[in-house]
Parts: sequence; structure tokens; C-alpha cells
Amino acid sequence: EPEVTQTPSHQVTQMGQEVILRCVPISNHLYFYWYRQILGQKVEFLVSFYNNEISEKSEIFDDQFSVERPDGSNFTLKIRSTKLEDSAMYFCASSPGTGNSGANVLTFGAGSRLTVL
Amino acid sequence: AQSVAQPEDQVNVAEGNPLTVKCTYSVSGNPYLFWYVQYPNRGLQFLLKYITGDNLVKGSYGFEAEFNKSQTSFHLKKPSALVSDSALYFCAVSRAGDDKIIFGKGTRLHILP
Repeated sequence: EPEVTQTPSHQVTQMGQEVILRCVPISNHLYFYWYRQILGQKVEFLVSFYNNEISEKSEIFDDQFSVERPDGSNFTLKIRSTKLEDSAMYFCASSPGTGNSGANVLTFGAGSRLTVL
Repeated sequence: AQSVAQPEDQVNVAEGNPLTVKCTYSVSGNPYLFWYVQYPNRGLQFLLKYITGDNLVKGSYGFEAEFNKSQTSFHLKKPSALVSDSALYFCAVSRAGDDKIIFGKGTRLHILP
């Protein structure tokens, strides 16, 4: 069964450092997402991406965050200058489409745990 | 803006008994509603969705959910709980056709053997 893969599974970084989290979505999916989950609790929407541009973003997704799909397969989340409160599990997800056809049924990766010291 | 409320942090049910996990939502326009399950150290897995049509939708692992427009609810149910159903359950909503999907805070389901 197709799956979304994320790397690294765990990253430890110093406050102020840049971090790049990588995701390989399912190959025929068109919509890509990043969510984060702090301490196994609420899953928070960060950003959605379609047709090589951001389609929606939350208030969490400020100027220190960016996303990119550099080569048609990878989908990356960059945090430019990490803060302590960025420590969380970051989940990538992909979907075949919106509307009745795909109805945004998301397939999630296993997550990347980011620890900021 | 859409939002989801899961009023229970944890639900405890004896194995073999019926279970219900509650969810209410708020969205302008027609809602798309979803349930996902998360097992320890895993990503979220899709269980079922409501888009249109029958208010009772059936999903994976014997779960079902009932859409109630007047009460803006989408409670998750299962007639007979299994210990293996113990996990964290998330309700989610999007406005029809929108990309953004908002998740509730999650309800931990604990099935007692």
C-alpha cells in the first residue's frame, strides 16, 4: 500500500538553528500538508500546498516557516530560526484531491520529532 | 472559520460494550467530516468520512459515525468495542471543497478487558 515517508524520524537542534524536514508524498497525490502535534495532543494545521503554491496557511505558519517542492517528489518544511516552542511532532500528509472525488482524505506520514534545545 | 470540539479527553469502555466518541463542529457552508485514529508513535490513519448522502457512514474496523446537521454533530460509534480499539481518535472538518482541514484536540479511547 502506498505510504507517505518522512525524514528524519527525530532531529535535535539548538535554538536559532535552521531545520529542514523532508517528506515524500504518495506519487499521484496533488495536495500536500504539514501539521504539527505537541506532546501527543492537538493536531494543528500549518499549511496546505497545491499546484506548486501555498493554498492555505494558519497563523502558526509565520515568516520563519516555508515549504517547497523542489523536484516533483519531495515536499519540505523549513524552519529558519527554531524556537523552544517549535518542539513538536511534525506530520506530512497528502491527498489525491478535494471535492467529492478525493474529499481531502489525508494519508499521513509517521512524523518527524523535532526537539529544540 | 471552521472548528471542531471533542468534549471528552478520555472515554473508558468495557470490552464488548458499545462505544461513542463525541464530536461537534462549526463551519460555514457544507461540511466535510472525518474521523482519524492514531496509535502510539504513528501517524493518523483515516477511518471514515461524511461528504453527502446517508447520515450514517460506515468505515474501517467496524466503526461508524452519524452526521446530525441540526445538532452539528458527528459522533463516532462502534457496537462492540475491542481492546485493540484503544487509541487516540480525532474528528476533523473542512468546508466543502476547501483544502484546509481542522482537527479536534483528540479523545483517548481506553477499552478495558
